Amino acid sequence: DAGVTQSPTHLIKTRGQQVTLRCSPKSGHDTVSWYQQALGQGPQFIFQYYEEEERQRGNFPDRFSGHQFPNYSSELNVNALLLGDSALYLCASSFGTVEKLFFGSGTQLSVL
Amino acid sequence: AQSVTQLGSHVSVSEGALVLLRCNYSSSVPPYLFWYVQYPNQGLQLLLKYTSAATLVKGINGFEAEFKKSETSFHLTKPSAHMSDAAEYFCAVSSISSGSARQLTFGSGTQLTVLP
Repeated sequence: DAGVTQSPTHLIKTRGQQVTLRCSPKSGHDTVSWYQQALGQGPQFIFQYYEEEERQRGNFPDRFSGHQFPNYSSELNVNALLLGDSALYLCASSFGTVEKLFFGSGTQLSVL
Repeated sequence: AQSVTQLGSHVSVSEGALVLLRCNYSSSVPPYLFWYVQYPNQGLQLLLKYTSAATLVKGINGFEAEFKKSETSFHLTKPSAHMSDAAEYFCAVSSISSGSARQLTFGSGTQLTVLP
């Protein structure tokens, strides 16, 4: 049983560009959450998708957007990249409530 | 709003010694509390969780944590450290919100080093 898979594993972009990160949840999971983990810090909640809708959103600007597909996979889009967007982006899936999140290995985004 | 404070960004212990990683939380409602471990270049793995049942929670790899409401603490312990325990540890609190979905608020992490 595959766990949470994220692609790509590493990405290098320049300021002002746009990026799309992808996540496939663990089999049987219907909820996908995205977190940003800056170097030396704990993950910060970006948003959560359930039934193809954004259900919760953290304190992130509208440059961060997402989507969930009928197969429960999800994308995170970031527009107009800033240097400060450089971080590890983690996807986590769960079934219903969040008491047991399963995390992917993340996508390391570097903005130059 | 809920928050988590992890005391000590770096902790070093000798192999076989007691591991104690400290976590204090702030919450206006009864919290759900979690400890996660992150190995280099990997995602987070759940060690244990407190969800208002027993205050002493046992997790994987010999770790346990005790919920102390009076001290607003949820410290992580392990009686005897092993070299493989070297990793970053995160304490987290869940935020009950509308609907069935919740979000986690993480602390800034504690890097555990195990010395031979």
